[in-house]
Amino acid sequence: LLVESGGGLVKPGGSLRLSCDGSGFTFGDYYVSWIRQAPGKGLQWLSYIGFSNSETKYAESVKGRFTLSRDNAQRSVFLQMNSLTDEDTAIYYCATTSVTTWYFDLWGRGTLVTVSS
Amino acid sequence: EIVLTQSPGTLSLSPGERATLSCRASQSVDSSYLAWYQQRLGQAPKILIYSGSTRATGIPDRFSASGSGTYFKLIISRLEPEDFAVYYCQQYGGSPLMTFGAGTKVE
Repeated sequence: LLVESGGGLVKPGGSLRLSCDGSGFTFGDYYVSWIRQAPGKGLQWLSYIGFSNSETKYAESVKGRFTLSRDNAQRSVFLQMNSLTDEDTAIYYCATTSVTTWYFDLWGRGTLVTVSS
Repeated sequence: EIVLTQSPGTLSLSPGERATLSCRASQSVDSSYLAWYQQRLGQAPKILIYSGSTRATGIPDRFSASGSGTYFKLIISRLEPEDFAVYYCQQYGGSPLMTFGAGTKVE
């Protein structure tokens, strides 16, 4: 099970930190990605983190603004989002990610981020 | 940038009918890195198919997928009521590193 939290309403230019908590599996054995879905739109991959904080990748649209980290002892992954704009309004999902065939296996239910003044 | 174009945008069918969904890539995609997802209304996406044609755990065999290079397809042999949803294809390896198609709604 994956559960996202930390979403909410934030003003343009603001910051937000999302959490993704895992349970029921060996959390540290999995890569984790964040994917978002703007209202009524499709899916956009944002970032993934490897087994530790030493490996992260970002989509160009969020590189330099978003930072991914993890704490395997807490079984959590964190997405720090800075300099938010209204284009960042979306449901944010975390998902375990296969490192051999690169698909998203287990998904959380998502957390809604709304950027508005 | 690898763009995945899904067609049709909407597929209007009845339960029991066969659905064929298409996913075309702007550049060749390794089929090992092509996946399909189902998203029911108000729910998170769910993995259906990975590595181009491998059903994920628990996915019924009415779902099948195939393809190579720039053309991939997902087939639902006999639609069940719970299959009416949006379906996305996804690739790994291009730029951006992972991209999704815009989705096909089966209604």
